[in-house]
Amino acid sequence: AQSVTQLGSHVSVSEGALVLLRCNYSSSVPPYLFWYVQYPNQGLQLLLKYTSAATLVKGINGFEAEFKKSETSFHLTKPSAHMSDAAEYFCAVSDSNYQLIWGAGTKLIIKP
Amino acid sequence: ETGVTQSPTHLIKTRGQQVTLRCSSQSGHNTVSWYQQALGQGPQFIFQYYREEENGRGNFPPRFSGLQFPNYSSELNVNALELDDSALYLCASSLVSRGANVLTFGAGSRLTVL
Repeated sequence: AQSVTQLGSHVSVSEGALVLLRCNYSSSVPPYLFWYVQYPNQGLQLLLKYTSAATLVKGINGFEAEFKKSETSFHLTKPSAHMSDAAEYFCAVSDSNYQLIWGAGTKLIIKP
Repeated sequence: ETGVTQSPTHLIKTRGQQVTLRCSSQSGHNTVSWYQQALGQGPQFIFQYYREEENGRGNFPPRFSGLQFPNYSSELNVNALELDDSALYLCASSLVSRGANVLTFGAGSRLTVL
């Protein structure tokens, strides 16, 4: 069975600092991996996805994630945090039926 | 292209009542999935519909049921509401094809059960 673990329910960074949100997965088959963002009182929006092409995936709003098979990780990064990045971020893995298995989410807090 | 729209956005029910939530899929999408998101948690998969048939179900009891219509819109019905059913219910549509199944989400329907 596939699963996703997001380390840290809350991450706090200063505006302009590096953002690093951690995601580890378990999967018995080559996975499809996703990062979604959820702003308050809104649905989820796709940030980026890994589909077995390039291991470094670039997404919207300056975010990127690197697939590391040896570490079973798909961490999300952004070089310089903006106040507008404050939101909750979810990592997900797709199973063989194309259904998504979700992590518990990480709330990103940006300090001015 | 239109996105995914859900209605109502908020509603309050009492224990034992029944509720119907509605979803209009994004144009061109043929699959709809429903998720329950409790406060402070990630989405939990309820079920998925493809070509008007249930195509996968999560760990939810039978009192959670759904429909998909020929125009790919969908309903989620919950009978005999319980306090723990209070959550944000998210609908997501997608186009099933080879490869990653990218979901487009609606803004959700927030259900409060008193």
